[in-house]
Amino acid sequence: KAGVTQTPRYLIKTRGQQVTLSCSPISGHRSVSWYQQTPGQGLQFLFEYFSETQRNKGNFPGRFSGRQFSNSRSEMNVSTLELGDSALYLCASRQLAGENNEQFFGPGTRLTVL
Amino acid sequence: GQQVMQIPQYQHVQEGEDFTTYCNSSTTLSNIQWYKQRPGGHPVFLIQLVKSGEVKKQKRLTFQFGEAKKNSSLHITATQTTDVGTYFCALYNFNKFYFGSGTKLNVKP
Repeated sequence: KAGVTQTPRYLIKTRGQQVTLSCSPISGHRSVSWYQQTPGQGLQFLFEYFSETQRNKGNFPGRFSGRQFSNSRSEMNVSTLELGDSALYLCASRQLAGENNEQFFGPGTRLTVL
Repeated sequence: GQQVMQIPQYQHVQEGEDFTTYCNSSTTLSNIQWYKQRPGGHPVFLIQLVKSGEVKKQKRLTFQFGEAKKNSSLHITATQTTDVGTYFCALYNFNKFYFGSGTKLNVKP
């Protein structure tokens, strides 16, 4: 079974631009979560999608948004980029929403904002 | 919001020494998960603990969930250079995953 894939792997943008990141979950997984990882703040939850619906959201500004398609693939968008948005963005998939199942992480997208 | 404290932040050990990282919460947890992230890699699920006082072993790794379900630990016996990485605990609460800050393990050969 193929793992979680994320595209692109690396991205360089300038302040004020917007960016869209993509995540393809493991086949059969319906839940996709997004995380931001930085050296200072660690792994922070952005949002989770399940069956095309946002299930919950972390404490991030409205510039961060996402969506999920009927095939469970997910995208996240960051508008009006700021220098502080430079981070590794990870997505993770799991079979069902709920507490008792492991998350499978993708390799991440390394975003650099100049 | 829900927080889980993880200590220590860093640990440097000589190969063959033991290593332990701890996660503590002020509230009772329904479950806790552990992940490992190698340098330059992504988090990989290790285990999930659910029951009070639960102890699970994976080769040289021993995971414990406290009796009060407010703390957990990961112990590695006789570390090897392949154990290098950052170990995170994570809890699921209010439909969100909360990760500890991680313990970065460095093993000197």
